[in-house]
Amino acid sequence: EADIYQTPRYLVIGTGKKITLECSQTMGHDKMYWYQQDPGMELHLIHYSYGVNSTEKGDLSSESTVSRIRTEHFPLTLESARPSHTSQYLCASSGVGLAGRYTGELFFGEGSRLTVL
Amino acid sequence: KNEVEQSPQNLTAQEGEFITINCSYSVGISALHWLQQHPGGGIVSLFMLSSGKKKHGRLIATINIQEKHSSLHITASHPRDSAVYICAVRGGAQKLVFGQGTRLTINP
Repeated sequence: EADIYQTPRYLVIGTGKKITLECSQTMGHDKMYWYQQDPGMELHLIHYSYGVNSTEKGDLSSESTVSRIRTEHFPLTLESARPSHTSQYLCASSGVGLAGRYTGELFFGEGSRLTVL
Repeated sequence: KNEVEQSPQNLTAQEGEFITINCSYSVGISALHWLQQHPGGGIVSLFMLSSGKKKHGRLIATINIQEKHSSLHITASHPRDSAVYICAVRGGAQKLVFGQGTRLTINP
């Protein structure tokens, strides 16, 4: 069973607001990812992290930022939300777990569906 | 041409039918993932393959590294199998590349 959690599941906000989407995993995974997915479309990588204090931008340009201060936590922040940010954001993790064994299997959170008015 | 191509894009079948979804890729990979996404958005990992074949319940996944091709099979399909099935390959720098997904609908 996956132990990766995203909050909020749904968020409706006005233009210009700052928002943070939370993602936490209790599996001790070193790798964490943020994907953006529009309805009926494929997933696009916007940020990833291979460990604490390591973050990289993904393939899809995004105005969001991320941080990885703790292994289990990988929040995504939009400083000033715009309607073009309306989408679903999916967090995932993989890699070496608490047992020190690399599995490679991906675990996804339930997603955060963001609507910016 | 996308690095990962899935076919068909949409598939509708009757309950009980044998289902096959195909995935072709053009890059060298270290692993291939099959994922399932239900309405509402949550994604579940079904299989991770680097060679051969894996089976879990009514689901079977195969991969042919030489032909750069993988298939996902569902035996005795059921309406609850209705979902989007996504193929993703792990290539260079350990980054994942996703297919566009196959939307499967199983009618009772």
